[in-house]
Amino acid sequence: SQQGEEDPQALSIQEGENATMNCSYKTSINNLQWYRQNSGRGLVHLILIRSNEREKHSGRLRVTLDTSKKSSSLLITASRAADTASYFCATDGTSGSRLTFGEGTQLTVNP
Amino acid sequence: DARVTQTPRHKVTEMGQEVTMRCQPILGHNTVFWYRQTMMQGLELLAYFRNRAPLDDSGMPKDRFSAEMPDATLATLKIQPSEPRDSAVYFCASGLAGIPEAFFGQGTRLTVV
Repeated sequence: SQQGEEDPQALSIQEGENATMNCSYKTSINNLQWYRQNSGRGLVHLILIRSNEREKHSGRLRVTLDTSKKSSSLLITASRAADTASYFCATDGTSGSRLTFGEGTQLTVNP
Repeated sequence: DARVTQTPRHKVTEMGQEVTMRCQPILGHNTVFWYRQTMMQGLELLAYFRNRAPLDDSGMPKDRFSAEMPDATLATLKIQPSEPRDSAVYFCASGLAGIPEAFFGQGTRLTVV
């Protein structure tokens, strides 16, 4: 079964708005990553947050991690049409580097 | 620039045929993952290798799937015999032990008819 579950499954917003996606996971983790997948392409790493971190920023991306709730959120600010893609969270457990992905959020940014 | 290369990009085959998918990891990477992506199941980890040795292939149907790394520059995923339910996009990803980020190839879209 999937380690992570994203919420919402689909999100449609207007250009310029912020997009927030959430991820929940089940077991203890070393770190949590967010990946992006454009239609018909492979996944691309966006950002990583370690289990001892609570928030991290990279450009227009902001990631938070709450290990007590086993949840993370990805915020994309000032969205652009080019941000349209699927976004996945991925975790690797404390026992090894097996990388497990959630089900993804399909983000559509309308021009 | 460095990237994971998968071949073929698309494959259509008849049920019962053998399918071999190939992956060239990024030079120097010592960890290789095979994932399968479908609408119903999402991204499933089939197998992963460290220094060419399989660490975990519990996600792979053993009766028809096999994964190998003949050398450090080539990983293969074989299905024999293929079935329509194997239709999916198969991704290879590589990385370095101790570094969490995985680098994905463009995938092989497999259709079994």
